[in-house]
Amino acid sequence: GENVEQHPSTLSVQEGDSAVIKCTYSDSASNYFPWYKQELGKRPQLIIDIRSNVGEKKDQRIAVTLNKTAKHFSLHITETQPEDSAVYFCAASMSNTGKLIFGQGTTLQVKP
Amino acid sequence: GAGVSQSPSNKVTEKGKDVELRCDPISGHTALYWYRQSLGQGLEFLIYFQGNSAPDKSGLPSDRFSAERTGGSVSTLTIQRTQQEDSAVYLCASSRPTTGELFFGEGSRLTVL
Repeated sequence: GENVEQHPSTLSVQEGDSAVIKCTYSDSASNYFPWYKQELGKRPQLIIDIRSNVGEKKDQRIAVTLNKTAKHFSLHITETQPEDSAVYFCAASMSNTGKLIFGQGTTLQVKP
Repeated sequence: GAGVSQSPSNKVTEKGKDVELRCDPISGHTALYWYRQSLGQGLEFLIYFQGNSAPDKSGLPSDRFSAERTGGSVSTLTIQRTQQEDSAVYLCASSRPTTGELFFGEGSRLTVL
């Protein structure tokens, strides 16, 4: 089955700096890669996703890149703000099954 | 309701007792997931229901865990003979297969004494 590895487990940056979180997946048939943000005490929420037919997707300060050959994808947050502080989860799934497997999560701290 | 509803929000039980956790997905969502989140840990996949297909139970940690989804809507996760290591937040999520986005409930926090 699919296995998703995520690193780093914790990341601390200064406000205004960029943050990068990386994930690798095991199943080459996976074709959908979402990222979820979980603020303290709250439920995870989708922030951006990418499908295997594109290599990059951007939404304001957030971007995701996908390298299908290497089976890894990354989340890039630019101009970080204190409200970006949260736990971020990557995930992978195959469209024919839909089962979504999450990485272990990255705790991002943005220092003012 | 507008979102995924889970009950109870908190459950404290004694070791060895059985517990049932309920999830009411968003109307029209054919996919339903259960995940477990231990304190400070990731989202551990437990079970996945998609429409009328047989559920994917590959994430259930032991035969003490089982889940049902009646009528393609409400789901119940049952844990028999609870152990202390079962203590965690159990999250339910639903989605439309066409979008892939998961909508999570608030979770059921289980504490086994």
